[in-house]
Amino acid sequence: QSALTQPRSVSGSPGQSVTISCTGTSNDVGGYNYVSWYQHHPGKAPQVMIYDVSKRPSGVPGRFSGSQSGNTASLTISGLQAEDEADYYCCAYSGSFKVFGGGTKLTVL
Amino acid sequence: EVQLVESGGGLVKPGGSLRLSCAASGFTFSSYSMNWVRQAPGKGLEWVSSISGSSIYIYYADSVKGRFTISRDNARNSLYLQMNSLRAEDSAVYYCARWGSSMYSFDIWGQGAMVTVSS
Repeated sequence: QSALTQPRSVSGSPGQSVTISCTGTSNDVGGYNYVSWYQHHPGKAPQVMIYDVSKRPSGVPGRFSGSQSGNTASLTISGLQAEDEADYYCCAYSGSFKVFGGGTKLTVL
Repeated sequence: EVQLVESGGGLVKPGGSLRLSCAASGFTFSSYSMNWVRQAPGKGLEWVSSISGSSIYIYYADSVKGRFTISRDNARNSLYLQMNSLRAEDSAVYYCARWGSSMYSFDIWGQGAMVTVSS
């Protein structure tokens, strides 16, 4: 149950694209197609942005997309907007357990 | 409206106990696996425990195994977390979160309950 590896921070200007990586192992990220991504504004409840690697829940803007290659999943946010500034967490389902990444702080410059 | 509301947080001394509750509304509670996820001050999210709809399947993170007990009362639409032998490192905001039935993710979250373990 080791935490997945994410960059501590990323940044981009409005309108640009950023990608956040999430690296695990063949026992979690690589073993199942069940990676999800969460947006977390401090003091609020986290919100799921991507599930099953690349699917978007209803209401989540199309600017958010997910992908996976081997043991690494990625979240891409295109057309950055000021309200995208938040902490982002990946999460992998590994059968009985769930494991989160350490979180990435996105700064919109 | 689909909603989860946690309660029971507070200040407790090291070695003490606390019981968190989560009241669910707006959906068929017994049909969903439920979870507790926590966030320590300045740290990331950490999955703590999960329980299936019928309470048959229960899992814990290694960090809390043997000290925490998850349970649910489907008749009361409520989820619980009994926390014993609390340590300073258990201080965190504890979120109740629903595991989606058709989407493998935490699709509904509560606002969280603060637990502080300090002498």
